[in-house]
Amino acid sequence: EIVLTQSPGILSLSPGERATLSCRASQSVSGSCLVWYQQKPGQAPRLLIYSASSRATGIPDRFSGSGSGTDFTLTISRLEPEDFAVYYCQQCGSSPLTFGGGTKVEIK
Amino acid sequence: QVQLVQSGTEVKKPGASVRVSCKASGYSFTSYIIHWVRQAPGQRLEWMGWINAGNGNTKYSQKFQGRVTITSDTSASTVYMELTSLRSEDTAVYYCARVGGITVPGLDQWGQGTLVTVSS
Repeated sequence: EIVLTQSPGILSLSPGERATLSCRASQSVSGSCLVWYQQKPGQAPRLLIYSASSRATGIPDRFSGSGSGTDFTLTISRLEPEDFAVYYCQQCGSSPLTFGGGTKVEIK
Repeated sequence: QVQLVQSGTEVKKPGASVRVSCKASGYSFTSYIIHWVRQAPGQRLEWMGWINAGNGNTKYSQKFQGRVTITSDTSASTVYMELTSLRSEDTAVYYCARVGGITVPGLDQWGQGTLVTVSS
């Protein structure tokens, strides 16, 4: 199975700053089928990005995804107060589906 | 609007089984695949399996093969996930989630989650 490693584990930033989150796969992700989710405490995950770089419906354009093969990045251009949360990547290119361990974006 | 509404909190003893339901509304139930994902306390999300709500085809994670069964009732627009031989490590929040479709290969709608606690 494909193992996804996210870094850093915790990102301490201030509102207005840029956040760069990394997701590295143990082998190439087929079809760039890489997804990003946001999860807040007590809530279900929320789809942000699919196919590595396509924004889901209703997601603000400050969220962007990039990458291919084994290296993927989620960028939040200017952090808003509501963006402080945990972010997970997930690959859907091969079975079993797997998730990364998450990056917590916290207020500095 | 699209909604997935799950059944409530469960407390089970080791060795027992649990069945969690996921009722869909606001879209064509048989046109989508539903996945089950769980999240143990402090752990990453873990995929369990999926069902094609239209034809009933399923696929399970090898980790849960033999212990998990996912079914659908098209007349009730409801998907069920049953997990047997429960152990303490199965304590987690269980989510159902819909795949957005061929053009949106992510889980675009999620249920609210069902907490299953396994304790003697």
